Amino acid sequence: GAGVSQSPSNKVTEKGKDVELRCDPISGHTALYWYRQSLGQGLEFLIYFQGNSAPDKSGLPSDRFSAERTGGSVSTLTIQRTQQEDSAVYLCASSPDLVMGQPQHFGDGTRLSIL
Amino acid sequence: GDSVTQMEGPVTLSEEAFLTINCTYTATGYPSLFWYVQYPGEGLQLLLKATKADDKGSNKGFEATYRKETTSFHLEKGSVQVSDSAVYFCALSGSASKIIFGSGTRLSIRP
Repeated sequence: GAGVSQSPSNKVTEKGKDVELRCDPISGHTALYWYRQSLGQGLEFLIYFQGNSAPDKSGLPSDRFSAERTGGSVSTLTIQRTQQEDSAVYLCASSPDLVMGQPQHFGDGTRLSIL
Repeated sequence: GDSVTQMEGPVTLSEEAFLTINCTYTATGYPSLFWYVQYPGEGLQLLLKATKADDKGSNKGFEATYRKETTSFHLEKGSVQVSDSAVYFCALSGSASKIIFGSGTRLSIRP
Protein backbone atom coordinates (compact mmCIF):
# COMPACT_ATOMS: atom_id res chain seq x y z
CA GLY A 1 0.00 0.00 0.00
CA ALA A 2 2.75 2.47 -0.84
CA GLY A 3 1.75 6.01 -1.63
CA VAL A 4 3.27 8.37 -4.15
CA SER A 5 7.03 8.32 -3.75
CA GLN A 6 9.29 11.20 -4.74
CA SER A 7 13.06 11.40 -4.79
CA PRO A 8 15.22 13.00 -3.74
CA SER A 9 13.44 14.61 -0.81
CA ASN A 10 15.93 17.48 -0.85
CA LYS A 11 18.22 18.72 -3.60
CA VAL A 12 20.70 21.55 -3.38
CA THR A 13 22.55 22.51 -6.55
CA GLU A 14 24.40 25.38 -8.13
CA LYS A 15 22.82 27.77 -10.56
CA GLY A 16 23.23 26.57 -14.13
CA LYS A 17 23.24 22.86 -13.33
CA ASP A 18 20.60 20.43 -14.58
CA VAL A 19 18.43 18.52 -12.10
CA GLU A 20 16.17 15.49 -12.36
CA LEU A 21 13.30 14.86 -9.99
CA ARG A 22 11.61 11.49 -9.83
CA CYS A 23 8.05 10.46 -9.07
CA ASP A 24 6.78 6.93 -8.55
CA PRO A 25 2.96 7.03 -8.54
CA ILE A 26 0.58 4.67 -6.79
CA SER A 27 0.40 1.39 -8.68
CA GLY A 28 -2.47 1.36 -11.14
CA HIS A 29 -2.97 5.13 -11.19
CA THR A 30 -3.11 6.28 -14.77
CA ALA A 31 -3.04 10.04 -14.16
CA LEU A 32 0.12 11.76 -12.90
CA TYR A 33 0.60 15.45 -12.14
CA TRP A 34 3.50 17.75 -11.31
CA TYR A 35 3.04 20.97 -9.32
CA ARG A 36 5.39 23.59 -7.95
CA GLN A 37 4.91 25.25 -4.58
CA SER A 38 7.07 28.27 -3.92
CA LEU A 39 7.59 29.55 -0.37
CA GLY A 40 4.30 30.84 0.99
CA GLN A 41 2.54 30.37 -2.33
CA GLY A 42 -0.16 28.09 -3.66
CA LEU A 43 0.25 25.20 -6.04
CA GLU A 44 1.30 26.01 -9.57
CA PHE A 45 0.29 23.35 -12.08
CA LEU A 46 3.16 22.27 -14.32
CA ILE A 47 2.22 19.20 -16.37
CA TYR A 48 0.00 16.17 -16.33
CA PHE A 49 0.01 12.75 -17.96
CA GLN A 50 -3.00 10.53 -18.57
CA GLY A 51 -2.35 7.04 -19.88
CA ASN A 52 -0.94 7.08 -23.40
CA SER A 53 -2.38 10.48 -24.30
CA ALA A 54 -0.18 13.44 -25.10
CA PRO A 55 0.67 15.24 -21.85
CA ASP A 56 -0.84 18.59 -20.93
CA LYS A 57 2.25 20.79 -20.72
CA SER A 58 0.39 24.06 -20.42
CA GLY A 59 1.82 24.89 -17.01
CA LEU A 60 5.53 24.51 -17.75
CA PRO A 61 7.09 27.95 -17.09
CA SER A 62 9.84 27.78 -19.71
CA ASP A 63 11.52 25.46 -22.19
CA ARG A 64 14.10 24.63 -19.52
CA PHE A 65 11.43 22.42 -17.94
CA SER A 66 10.49 19.05 -19.37
CA ALA A 67 8.96 15.84 -18.09
CA GLU A 68 8.51 12.32 -19.27
CA ARG A 69 6.67 9.29 -18.07
CA THR A 70 8.08 5.95 -19.04
CA GLY A 71 5.91 2.87 -19.33
CA GLY A 72 2.95 4.73 -17.93
CA SER A 73 4.42 4.65 -14.45
CA VAL A 74 7.49 6.50 -13.18
CA SER A 75 7.88 10.13 -14.20
CA THR A 76 10.94 12.36 -14.29
CA LEU A 77 10.81 16.16 -14.21
CA THR A 78 13.98 17.73 -15.63
CA ILE A 79 15.04 21.32 -15.15
CA GLN A 80 17.95 22.44 -17.32
CA ARG A 81 20.28 25.34 -16.54
CA THR A 82 18.64 25.95 -13.19
CA GLN A 83 17.99 29.49 -11.97
CA GLN A 84 17.48 30.75 -8.43
CA GLU A 85 13.80 31.34 -9.10
CA ASP A 86 13.43 27.59 -9.67
CA SER A 87 13.86 27.07 -5.92
CA ALA A 88 10.62 25.55 -4.65
CA VAL A 89 9.00 22.34 -3.51
CA TYR A 90 8.06 20.18 -6.48
CA LEU A 91 5.05 18.00 -5.80
CA CYS A 92 3.88 14.96 -7.70
CA ALA A 93 0.38 13.53 -7.48
CA SER A 94 -1.46 10.61 -9.02
CA SER A 95 -5.08 9.59 -9.37
CA PRO A 96 -6.81 6.45 -10.62
CA ASP A 97 -8.18 7.79 -13.89
CA LEU A 98 -9.82 10.70 -15.59
CA VAL A 99 -13.22 10.14 -14.03
CA MET A 100 -14.24 13.43 -12.53
CA GLY A 101 -14.27 13.58 -8.79
CA GLN A 102 -11.24 11.39 -8.21
CA PRO A 103 -8.98 13.07 -5.67
CA GLN A 104 -5.27 13.25 -6.16
CA HIS A 105 -2.79 11.52 -3.89
CA PHE A 106 0.30 13.59 -3.27
CA GLY A 107 3.89 12.68 -2.58
CA ASP A 108 5.91 14.48 0.07
CA GLY A 109 7.67 16.58 -2.55
CA THR A 110 11.23 17.40 -3.49
CA ARG A 111 12.59 20.59 -1.95
CA LEU A 112 14.88 22.14 -4.55
CA SER A 113 17.32 24.87 -3.56
CA ILE A 114 19.38 26.66 -6.19
CA LEU A 115 22.46 28.42 -4.83
CA GLY B 1 -10.99 28.95 -17.76
CA ASP B 2 -11.72 27.24 -14.49
CA SER B 3 -10.49 28.99 -11.36
CA VAL B 4 -10.67 28.92 -7.57
CA THR B 5 -10.57 31.90 -5.24
CA GLN B 6 -10.13 31.46 -1.52
CA MET B 7 -9.76 33.90 1.32
CA GLU B 8 -6.29 35.13 1.95
CA GLY B 9 -4.55 34.28 5.15
CA PRO B 10 -3.12 34.04 7.53
CA VAL B 11 -6.12 33.34 9.73
CA THR B 12 -5.41 33.26 13.46
CA LEU B 13 -8.02 31.99 15.91
CA SER B 14 -8.18 30.90 19.51
CA GLU B 15 -8.82 27.28 20.37
CA GLU B 16 -12.53 26.33 20.29
CA ALA B 17 -13.41 29.24 18.00
CA PHE B 18 -15.66 28.79 14.96
CA LEU B 19 -13.84 28.62 11.64
CA THR B 20 -14.92 29.63 8.17
CA ILE B 21 -12.56 29.72 5.19
CA ASN B 22 -14.32 31.05 2.11
CA CYS B 23 -13.91 29.48 -1.31
CA THR B 24 -15.64 30.39 -4.56
CA TYR B 25 -15.10 28.92 -7.99
CA THR B 26 -15.62 29.54 -11.67
CA ALA B 27 -16.16 26.54 -13.90
CA THR B 28 -18.21 25.31 -16.81
CA GLY B 29 -20.49 22.39 -16.15
CA TYR B 30 -20.53 20.64 -12.83
CA PRO B 31 -17.10 20.33 -11.27
CA SER B 32 -16.14 18.26 -8.27
CA LEU B 33 -14.90 20.30 -5.32
CA PHE B 34 -12.22 19.48 -2.76
CA TRP B 35 -10.50 20.77 0.32
CA TYR B 36 -6.90 19.66 0.82
CA VAL B 37 -4.82 20.25 3.95
CA GLN B 38 -1.07 20.54 4.40
CA TYR B 39 0.09 20.15 7.99
CA PRO B 40 3.50 21.58 8.94
CA GLY B 41 6.26 19.46 7.46
CA GLU B 42 3.85 17.09 5.75
CA GLY B 43 2.53 16.53 2.26
CA LEU B 44 -0.83 17.56 0.88
CA GLN B 45 -3.73 15.31 1.77
CA LEU B 46 -7.38 15.26 0.88
CA LEU B 47 -9.59 16.57 3.69
CA LEU B 48 -13.04 16.29 2.12
CA LYS B 49 -14.84 16.44 -1.20
CA ALA B 50 -18.25 16.93 -2.81
CA THR B 51 -19.15 15.85 -6.32
CA LYS B 52 -22.56 17.43 -6.95
CA ALA B 53 -24.69 20.36 -5.92
CA ASP B 54 -25.95 20.37 -2.32
CA ASP B 55 -23.57 17.57 -1.34
CA LYS B 56 -21.86 18.08 2.01
CA GLY B 57 -18.35 16.76 2.47
CA SER B 58 -17.19 16.17 6.03
CA ASN B 59 -14.12 14.85 7.82
CA LYS B 60 -12.39 15.45 11.17
CA GLY B 61 -15.14 17.86 12.24
CA PHE B 62 -14.76 19.97 9.08
CA GLU B 63 -17.65 20.44 6.69
CA ALA B 64 -18.20 22.10 3.33
CA THR B 65 -21.38 22.25 1.25
CA TYR B 66 -21.36 22.47 -2.56
CA ARG B 67 -23.48 25.53 -3.33
CA LYS B 68 -24.06 25.85 -7.05
CA GLU B 69 -26.25 28.94 -6.74
CA THR B 70 -23.43 30.89 -5.11
CA THR B 71 -20.57 28.86 -6.70
CA SER B 72 -19.10 28.38 -3.25
CA PHE B 73 -17.59 25.61 -1.12
CA HIS B 74 -16.80 27.28 2.19
CA LEU B 75 -14.94 25.24 4.81
CA GLU B 76 -16.33 25.32 8.36
CA LYS B 77 -15.53 23.82 11.73
CA GLY B 78 -17.45 24.48 14.90
CA SER B 79 -14.58 24.29 17.39
CA VAL B 80 -10.99 24.39 16.17
CA GLN B 81 -8.02 22.81 17.91
CA VAL B 82 -4.33 23.66 17.93
CA SER B 83 -3.77 20.53 15.84
CA ASP B 84 -5.85 22.09 13.02
CA SER B 85 -3.06 24.59 12.34
CA ALA B 86 -2.14 24.02 8.71
CA VAL B 87 -2.51 25.41 5.21
CA TYR B 88 -5.87 24.67 3.59
CA PHE B 89 -6.38 24.54 -0.19
CA CYS B 90 -9.69 24.65 -2.00
CA ALA B 91 -9.66 22.89 -5.37
CA LEU B 92 -11.89 21.84 -8.23
CA SER B 93 -11.84 19.19 -10.92
CA GLY B 94 -13.76 20.33 -13.95
CA SER B 95 -14.04 19.78 -17.66
CA ALA B 96 -10.30 19.94 -18.20
CA SER B 97 -9.82 17.02 -15.78
CA LYS B 98 -6.74 18.45 -14.06
CA ILE B 99 -7.35 19.76 -10.56
CA ILE B 100 -7.16 23.54 -10.10
CA PHE B 101 -6.04 24.75 -6.68
CA GLY B 102 -6.66 27.98 -4.83
CA SER B 103 -3.72 29.87 -3.39
CA GLY B 104 -4.10 28.36 0.08
CA THR B 105 -5.07 29.79 3.46
CA ARG B 106 -2.71 29.47 6.39
CA LEU B 107 -4.57 28.79 9.65
CA SER B 108 -2.95 29.24 13.06
CA ILE B 109 -4.77 28.26 16.25
CA ARG B 110 -3.66 29.77 19.58
CA PRO B 111 -3.96 27.58 22.69
